[in-house]
Amino acid sequence: GAVVSQHPSRVICKSGTSVKIECRSLDFQATTMFWYRQFPKQSLMLMATSNEGSKATYEQGVEKDKFLINHASLTLSTLTVTSAHPEDSSFYICSARGLLPETQYFGPGTRLLVL
Amino acid sequence: RKEVEQDPGPFNVPEGATVAFNCTYSNSASQSFFWYRQDCRKEPKLLMSVYSSGNEDGRFTAQLNRASQYISLLIRDSKLSDSATYLCVVNARREDSNYQLIWGAGTKLIIKP
Repeated sequence: GAVVSQHPSRVICKSGTSVKIECRSLDFQATTMFWYRQFPKQSLMLMATSNEGSKATYEQGVEKDKFLINHASLTLSTLTVTSAHPEDSSFYICSARGLLPETQYFGPGTRLLVL
Repeated sequence: RKEVEQDPGPFNVPEGATVAFNCTYSNSASQSFFWYRQDCRKEPKLLMSVYSSGNEDGRFTAQLNRASQYISLLIRDSKLSDSATYLCVVNARREDSNYQLIWGAGTKLIIKP
């Protein structure tokens, strides 16, 4: 099946710093990528939909100035958590839409811990 | 009310037992339904799609009842490796007419030897 990578897999940072997470589709072109966040024992929550070459669409309650998304190519989308705070600590997962609209291939996730 | 609701769990069952997961969804316009499996600290992985006629894949059987807006997953002869969180996922139509995957909170399954 299709492969999606994420980097880094784990990051620990100080409060106030910015963290960039990369999501790459390795063997297919993804015009649409999704960014999710998952807190412990909770379901995945969609943060934003990233479309190649255009602005991301953010879900209600997600600050676009805090979570910067760039989808510069058909194989790469980045999420930057700006001025991270401890409450931003979470499991961030990206997914890329495959050929079938309903098919999403997930990256392995990035665990962020803000101290 | 949550858009996708699942049994809160966890389910603790002995190896070899049959396990049933239940899921209900609120959006009657939902078109596609899935069961995902998520291991601890890992990303979700598609287990199987759910079709109206019901479908089976080895020890796993999924069923959909559109009238009741209910989805089920049955695992027979459970193995230790089946221990994971099982997520019910619905492809629902949004207000802007685009479709979005809506995730249930998941039900944790613990298989005991």
